[in-house]
Amino acid sequence: DVKVTQSSRYLVKRTGEKVFLECVQDMDHENMFWYRQDPGLGLRLIYFSYDVKMKEKGDIPEGYSVSREKKERFSLILESASTNQTSMYLCASSLSYQGMDGYTFGSGTRLTVV
Amino acid sequence: LAKTTQPISMDSYEGQEVNITCSHNNIATNDYITWYQQFPSQGPRFIIQGYKTKVTNEVASLFIPADRKSSTLSLPRVSLSDTAVYYCLVGDTGGGSQGNLIFGKGTKLSVKP
Repeated sequence: DVKVTQSSRYLVKRTGEKVFLECVQDMDHENMFWYRQDPGLGLRLIYFSYDVKMKEKGDIPEGYSVSREKKERFSLILESASTNQTSMYLCASSLSYQGMDGYTFGSGTRLTVV
Repeated sequence: LAKTTQPISMDSYEGQEVNITCSHNNIATNDYITWYQQFPSQGPRFIIQGYKTKVTNEVASLFIPADRKSSTLSLPRVSLSDTAVYYCLVGDTGGGSQGNLIFGKGTKLSVKP
């Protein structure tokens, strides 16, 4: 089974800190995605990448950036963390030819900004 | 991707069949209907996908009427472990940069003993 591994399950950071959330997949998937999940709002797409060094904005990119230097790794960066970025962050990956049934998600990182 | 509408929550008891309906009035010709399941503290996982009529796998069945403006996920004889949020997604299965999953709020299913 493909695995998507997120480096931390829980993180607590202070307002203004630069925060890195790391995601690694082990099945050579071209596409990688970052979502955030908040109660009552479902999952919202922040950024995605369909190739190394390529990135595209999702629905809510403000306050975030991403980095994809290697195919297996996709990092989400909070340049200056704020309390409204407290959320569950989910990483996902898929093969380029696969459709909506081929996404694999990580277990999530619950980030609290204080 | 087509917008979907699902009930916010549903309650059931162990052993019952649960049907969750999703409305997608603006579904396009090339769109498929896909359902994901999410347990607490986990990421979503794929459970079933269909285009028309009926699809069945070891987990669920998916019923899609001829006009494809709605679909129903059917979970036979649910157990406590089926307590989860179920998401209905509609879109093209082309993948790549066009294949982003857009989730709605999902349906929170609570199964009681």
